[in-house]
Amino acid sequence: AQSVTQLGSHVSVSEGALVLLRCNYSSSVPPYLFWYVQYPNQGLQLLLKYTSAATLVKGINGFEAEFKKSETSFHLTKPSAHMSDAAEYFCAVSEGNTGTASKLTFGTGTRLQVTL
Amino acid sequence: DGGITQSPKYLFRKEGQNVTLSCEQNLNHDAMYWYRQDPGQGLRLIYYSQIVNDFQKGDIAEGYSVSREKKESFPLTVTSAQKNPTAFYLCASRLFASYTFGSGTRLTVV
Repeated sequence: AQSVTQLGSHVSVSEGALVLLRCNYSSSVPPYLFWYVQYPNQGLQLLLKYTSAATLVKGINGFEAEFKKSETSFHLTKPSAHMSDAAEYFCAVSEGNTGTASKLTFGTGTRLQVTL
Repeated sequence: DGGITQSPKYLFRKEGQNVTLSCEQNLNHDAMYWYRQDPGQGLRLIYYSQIVNDFQKGDIAEGYSVSREKKESFPLTVTSAQKNPTAFYLCASRLFASYTFGSGTRLTVV
């Protein structure tokens, strides 16, 4: 079984400040981990993913995340927030390279607000 | 360009009616998925299909049905047995560890 916990349903930061969105996972096998962003009434856009290569993963729009197996975490960071980063962010896990059985399990999401 | 098309974008249904949401992909992906999104609950898996003519229930399959007669199509029917169908529905497809999502259908019961 796999699960994801996102701490903080709402996070507010000032423009130019550090963004930190927290994600902890549970998986019975080596996981693949994903961060997605969603703007209102739209689908999901992939920010980055971890698939057992480098533990520090760089994504689009200046985001990055670090896979920490000992902490079962995959927190998302961005050094300097921009107004356009305001959106909802989802962390997701799939049970690694399980071929046809693979499916994504999502956290409940974190809404990021960016203020001037 | 390859992608996933969900239609319609907005859908209104009267109580007691069945309604079908369309999902079509031209990515040649074998696996396809339906998720339901409600505020504060993230995305929950309804059904998924790994190959044509085969599909499995997800975590919240009650009140829903699917078919997979063609590789590119995975329609979702919301039946009258689904007691609270108002939600945002997302379709996805997968190749290895790459998932592609459609733009969603917002279903409202009136």
